[in-house]
Amino acid sequence: GQNIDQPTEMTATEGAIVQINCTYQTSGFNGLFWYQQHAGEAPTFLSYNVLDGLEEKGRFSSFLSRSKGYSYLLLKELQMKDSASYLCAVFDSNYQLIWGAGTKLIIKP
Amino acid sequence: IAGITQAPTSQILAAGRRMTLRCTQDMRHNAMYWYRQDLGLGLRLIHYSNTAGTTGKGEVPDGYSVSRANTDDFPLTLASAVPSQTSVYFCASSREGGDADTQYFGPGTRLTVL
Repeated sequence: GQNIDQPTEMTATEGAIVQINCTYQTSGFNGLFWYQQHAGEAPTFLSYNVLDGLEEKGRFSSFLSRSKGYSYLLLKELQMKDSASYLCAVFDSNYQLIWGAGTKLIIKP
Repeated sequence: IAGITQAPTSQILAAGRRMTLRCTQDMRHNAMYWYRQDLGLGLRLIHYSNTAGTTGKGEVPDGYSVSRANTDDFPLTLASAVPSQTSVYFCASSREGGDADTQYFGPGTRLTVL
């Protein structure tokens, strides 16, 4: 079966750095997405990786290793507004998005 | 409007009733999707449409039907609601289907079936 694993919950301090990991086992791979979802709201797009390496976008960076079936989302200079769930999703060989259950990130002052 | 709208925002429904969730996008995206989101689970695809006039089944299609009469609208119908269909339903769209295009989400409909 297809599976995406991410930690259920993480806690970090305002101003710090946090890394959210995602491992995947899917039938084929056509790219990996990270979305942010605030409580009671819709998921919003953060990043897309299809090649190995690091993609940086402001305070957020996303890394991919296809050989290891592994990605992480790195959030720097954490702000209280970063408290949200972070969803990892992979396009499989049929271009259907397979979603992880999400990581709830709690930011403490 | 800009983006994707969904209606209603929330609904409480008696089991056995018929219900249609509405979704409209104004981005002229070809592909549209319906997902359900349940606590502790990832988003699960119910149905999708890669272009107007075509639809396909996702991971959890049973008990749901869709239609795509035009580019903008993609309604989801529950013919006879059951309590296990209590969930948050998200509509999404992307420029193209069958491709690695970013999906954009509507605000969701919170449905409770009693």
